[in-house]
Amino acid sequence: DIVMTQAPLSLPVTPGEPASISCWSSQSLLDSDDGNIYLDWYLQKPGQSPQLLIYKLSSRASGVPDRFTGSGSGTDFTLKISRVEAEDVGLYYCMQRKEFPFTFGPGTKVDI
Amino acid sequence: QGQLQESGPGLVKPSETLSLTCSVSADSISSRSYYWGWLRQSPGKGLEWIGIISFTGTTFYNPSLKSRLTISRDTSKNDFSLRLSSVTAADTALYYCARYTSTAGFDRWGQGTLVTVSS
Repeated sequence: DIVMTQAPLSLPVTPGEPASISCWSSQSLLDSDDGNIYLDWYLQKPGQSPQLLIYKLSSRASGVPDRFTGSGSGTDFTLKISRVEAEDVGLYYCMQRKEFPFTFGPGTKVDI
Repeated sequence: QGQLQESGPGLVKPSETLSLTCSVSADSISSRSYYWGWLRQSPGKGLEWIGIISFTGTTFYNPSLKSRLTISRDTSKNDFSLRLSSVTAADTALYYCARYTSTAGFDRWGQGTLVTVSS
């Protein structure tokens, strides 16, 4: 299985300031057939189900503010929040779907 | 917008079978655009992908659960189901159903249902 790692596991943030979460995979998530990197980011707000933020490395899901940016290469990935807002608190997960079984990182808890 | 809603017993005895159903509204589970999946979340293991079922009924399972797992669908009811046999306390978790697309991953989730395995 592809192992996903995240850092930090806990991230105190200040509203209006930037924030960054790192994620690594034990194997490349680059699909050589189509050139896509199959790395997604999810946010689980307190008491809610996870919601899709970023798919295929850098595409924002519908309704996701442009302060969220995904970037990276085959094995190293970053989610950046340009200016944190109070509603951004929660658990952030990266997930690979390059191959079965899909696997998640351990999560990064972002709080103010 | 379409919704997904999990249903099923909240308490299952050890060694018995856990059965959940996900009712889908607005979308057709037979649509070629979507797959339908199950995931779970437990304090000890975080988020875990269980498996998905395609619009043709083809299934893809997590190998760690495959020997105990069945995901099926009922197109007449527009729902899909999870059956996990021989459960233990390690299967206690919040179970989610979700819509999956090859483009965007799991783009719609149910609210989740807590299943506790205990005698």
